[in-house]
Amino acid sequence: SAVISQKPSRDICQRGTSLTIQCQVDSQVTMMFWYRQQPGQSLTLIATANQGSEATYESGFVIDKFPISRPNLTFSTLTVSNMSPEDSSIYLCSTGSGSYNEQFFGPGTRLTVL
Amino acid sequence: AQSVTQPDIHITVSEGASLELRCNYSYGATPYLFWYVQSPGQGLQLLLKYFSGDTLVQGIKGFEAEFKRSQSSFNLRKPSVHWSDAAEYFCAVGPNRAPRGNLIFGKGTKLSVKP
Repeated sequence: SAVISQKPSRDICQRGTSLTIQCQVDSQVTMMFWYRQQPGQSLTLIATANQGSEATYESGFVIDKFPISRPNLTFSTLTVSNMSPEDSSIYLCSTGSGSYNEQFFGPGTRLTVL
Repeated sequence: AQSVTQPDIHITVSEGASLELRCNYSYGATPYLFWYVQSPGQGLQLLLKYFSGDTLVQGIKGFEAEFKRSQSSFNLRKPSVHWSDAAEYFCAVGPNRAPRGNLIFGKGTKLSVKP
């Protein structure tokens, strides 16, 4: 199984600022996913990031708000831009690296926006 | 529409008692099915998965799940719960053919364990 790390593990940010979250995988993977988990809620997919192409965003999420980079097969970043308190969530990255599409998740980044 | 329903938001069981967490799905094709566990402040850990074959699958930590196609269900069970099993449990479905895609998650069931 893939081992995934995320930085930072948590952060407290001011309204209007931006935060970039890093996701590192210990092996090369084709697809990486970014999810948001709002307080007390399930996971919602933000976007799918493939190396060498633009990220594909789900309904309700836009590139200007959540720009994503995927410079190589082991790394991705998600930026939460112009933050508001509604962006307070856990952000998780995952890979679909399993033989049968099982996904492995990073530990998450707990973001609080004041 | 594709969806996953976990009808129980919160379940409390006594340590040593048996456990069953329910999951129903709606999916256009034969799905891959998963159960994940999230301990407080942690990421998600894969407990078990179903792709095909034997409808009773074994996972880590003594968990098992049974796929029932006729009921569109994939319930998670454990014969004897330990205090360390207190966590949130998520059922998920995903596509069973390329291109591999994202998973659809249920809202989760929070498990509390009484001593």
